[in-house]
Amino acid sequence: EILLTQSPGTVSLSPGEGATLSCRASQSLEKRYLSWYQQKVGQAPRLLMYGASTRATGIPDRFVGSGSGTDFTLTIITLEPEDVAVYFCQQHYDSRTFGQGTKVEIK
Amino acid sequence: QVQLVQSGGGVTKPGASVRVTCRTSGFPFTTYGFSWVRQAPGQGLEWIGRISAYNGDTKYGQNLQGRLTMATDTSTSTVYMELSGLTSDDTALYFCARDRGQLDLWGQGTLVTVSS
Repeated sequence: EILLTQSPGTVSLSPGEGATLSCRASQSLEKRYLSWYQQKVGQAPRLLMYGASTRATGIPDRFVGSGSGTDFTLTIITLEPEDVAVYFCQQHYDSRTFGQGTKVEIK
Repeated sequence: QVQLVQSGGGVTKPGASVRVTCRTSGFPFTTYGFSWVRQAPGQGLEWIGRISAYNGDTKYGQNLQGRLTMATDTSTSTVYMELSGLTSDDTALYFCARDRGQLDLWGQGTLVTVSS
């Protein structure tokens, strides 16, 4: 089973600051097989990014995905209050697994 | 309207089974796969299995092998998930999601609570 490790566990920033979320895979995923999701409190997850760097429909361009192989990053260029959520990465290179999530808070 | 609407679940006793239904609409059902994902209270997301609506092929996660069954009804564009031998560890919010590798459309979630 491919394990995904996300860091940090929690990030606390002021509005307008940038956030960098990391997802590391236990084996190479190439590029196409990594996605990111945003889950706000009380809601279902929402697809943010697929193929590591392609934004899903309706996702603002302040969200940027990058990486390949085993190391992937989700960057929120300028944090907005509505970005408060938990962010999960997910692989579908071999079956499917999720990372444990990174919580983004506003200071 | 493109959506997944879930029903079923609820409070069930240890050892019993539970079925959750996911009704789809607004897209060609048989061209997609569907995954089920669960989330225990205050925890992260756990992928538990996937079914192809095209041919019914299933792939289950290692943790629930033998207790999990997924099925589809192409006449009603519905996906079903049944989990047997319930324990308190199965208490969670269960989501269905349209699966293209990435999970691009999600149901609203259904709470399953296992309690005596």
